[in-house]
Amino acid sequence: SQTIHQWPATLVQPVGSPLSLECTVEGTSNPNLYWYRQAAGRGLQLLFYSVGIGQISSEVPQNLSASRPQDRQFILSSKKLLLSDSGFYLCACTGTSLNEQFFGPGTRLTVL
Amino acid sequence: AQSVSQHNHHVILSEAASLELGCNYSYGGTVNLFWYVQYPGQHLQLLLKYFSGDPLVKGIKGFEAEFIKSKFSFNLRKPSVQWSDTAEYFCAVNAGNAGNMLTFGGGTRLMVKP
Repeated sequence: SQTIHQWPATLVQPVGSPLSLECTVEGTSNPNLYWYRQAAGRGLQLLFYSVGIGQISSEVPQNLSASRPQDRQFILSSKKLLLSDSGFYLCACTGTSLNEQFFGPGTRLTVL
Repeated sequence: AQSVSQHNHHVILSEAASLELGCNYSYGGTVNLFWYVQYPGQHLQLLLKYFSGDPLVKGIKGFEAEFIKSKFSFNLRKPSVQWSDTAEYFCAVNAGNAGNMLTFGGGTRLMVKP
């Protein structure tokens, strides 16, 4: 079964600084990959998804970008963080069924 | 665009009480439906899912959910909750889009008092 690793687990960054969050997946090949942001009381918002290497779709206009340099690696980035980028970021992947998603442990980002 | 509503944001129950968490979605076509649970300090994990067939689905830890197509609902139930069910619960819908994206509800925080 698939395992999702995310790092760092927590991050505190100043406004205007860059960001790079990494997600790697084990135990599956050619998965769909997803980045979600979870804000308190607001559920999970899909930010990006990828159906293959180099293929990124963005769901909401924002200050963030995503890249998929390898089949099982998904990176969330920003050139200049905003206060509103604070939140809990979850990476997810599909398993053998493309209809089901599995989630990583998340990264808690605080922008000060 | 599809949306998912969870009307109960916070629920407090005593142990052994029955639980029902509401979930409604706004897509008229074929959907796949999910309930995820996030225990304190743990990963988001799948509780149960509905793809097709029997609209009453059973998941882990004694949870079940019923898909009522005419009501666009997929409510989560458990006849007798335990303190260990304290968690946040999320309903999600996949409407068969290109990326198999999930649309999540806002979540319901359940606290079970011992």
